Amino acid sequence: EIVLTQSPTTMAASPGEKVTLTCRASSSVSYMHWYQQRSGTSPKLWIYETSKLASGVPNRFSGSGSGTSYSLTINSMETEDAATYYCQQGSSYPLTFGSGTKLEIK
Amino acid sequence: QVQLKESGPGLVQPSRTLSLTCTVSGFSLTSYGVSWVRQPPGKGLEWIAAIWSGGSTDYNSALKSRLSISRDTSKSQVLLKMNSLQTEDTAMYFCARYRGTYVMDAWGQGASVTVSS
Repeated sequence: EIVLTQSPTTMAASPGEKVTLTCRASSSVSYMHWYQQRSGTSPKLWIYETSKLASGVPNRFSGSGSGTSYSLTINSMETEDAATYYCQQGSSYPLTFGSGTKLEIK
Repeated sequence: QVQLKESGPGLVQPSRTLSLTCTVSGFSLTSYGVSWVRQPPGKGLEWIAAIWSGGSTDYNSALKSRLSISRDTSKSQVLLKMNSLQTEDTAMYFCARYRGTYVMDAWGQGASVTVSS
């Protein structure tokens, strides 16, 4: 099973600040998907295949990475970006998720 | 538009079998797969099982012996059964549309399942 380790576990950012969330895989994966989950709601696909933004996702978000190291970056933090972000790999079964990064607004 | 809706019993006794239904609209089960994911209270996401557009199935090996996933395309429904339930199975259960590269691009609102006597 591929274990995904997300860091940091929790962080707070000020409006306008640049934010980078990291996801490291225990073995090399071909790509990474990212989901946003706001409190009390279901997850939403946010970034797929490492760097493609899902429909409706603001272009201040971007994704990058390869092999065992992937990241999600917010160019300029906004209040509405406060949520928990999960990475997910689809390179081998079982599909696995990271434990999430909770992003708060400062 | 694409919609998925989970339904289930809410409360299940330990050792019993859980049956969940995912009813979809806005797409065909013969064109897209459906995956089940669960989230225990205050915790992260765990992939459970999936059924592909062609009808083939995949299971989380840690749960496989207790799981069965099937579909009724005429009703646009995907069914998940999990037997021998324990308190650790208490969670929100989500179904999600599933496609190539194993991405889940649309999710239901979730069905809360509590395992308790």
